[in-house]
Amino acid sequence: AQTVTQSQPEMSVQEAETVTLSCTYDTSESNYYLFWYKQPPSRQMILVIRQEAYKQQNATENRFSVNFQKAAKSFSLKISDSQLGDTAMYFCAFMKHFQGAQKLVFGQGTRLTINP
Amino acid sequence: GAGVSQSPRYKVAKRGQDVALRCDPISGHVSLFWYQQALGQGPEFLTYFQNEAQLDKSGLPSDRFFAERPEGSVSTLKIQRTQQEDSAVYLCASSLETRTYEQYFGPGTRLTVT
Repeated sequence: AQTVTQSQPEMSVQEAETVTLSCTYDTSESNYYLFWYKQPPSRQMILVIRQEAYKQQNATENRFSVNFQKAAKSFSLKISDSQLGDTAMYFCAFMKHFQGAQKLVFGQGTRLTINP
Repeated sequence: GAGVSQSPRYKVAKRGQDVALRCDPISGHVSLFWYQQALGQGPEFLTYFQNEAQLDKSGLPSDRFFAERPEGSVSTLKIQRTQQEDSAVYLCASSLETRTYEQYFGPGTRLTVT
């Protein structure tokens, strides 16, 4: 079974600063996807960024980038130039890469607060 | 186009009552997932449908939980004889057959059992 661990329950930074959220996972699979999802207060879960395990290049989406270390089973999210709207719960998630749809396995989440 | 919708958004049930939670996936999305999110926790998988077929129900916590998707579109999650530990947000997600790694989530139904 796969497990995902987020060791930072809460983080808080000032607006415009850079923040890094940590995630580690455990799997025996060789091919899989990793995700970061954002869940703003009382709003629905949205995908922030996706990484395919077979790709060595780290994914980036505007101010969001990841540091994917496959051997270490580590997948951190860096948010640059943080904005007030980045305040949310952030979940790291794992998905096996099989034919057909697969379930997501989530970590416990990190509550990120961006202060003005 | 419309996203995933869920109803009701909030549900309060007395312990022992039956509840039914509805999910309308994005039109054309073949795969549909249900997740349970306890307060302050990450979502946990409950069950998965491909069209009308329930291919995985390994996450359903007890036989009081039942899900269906009879016509391959709308899905209903039913919880019989609700218990306090069933209090959680129930999330529905759907995905296209050709992009199964992109799950789109609904706003969830917050169930409170008193």
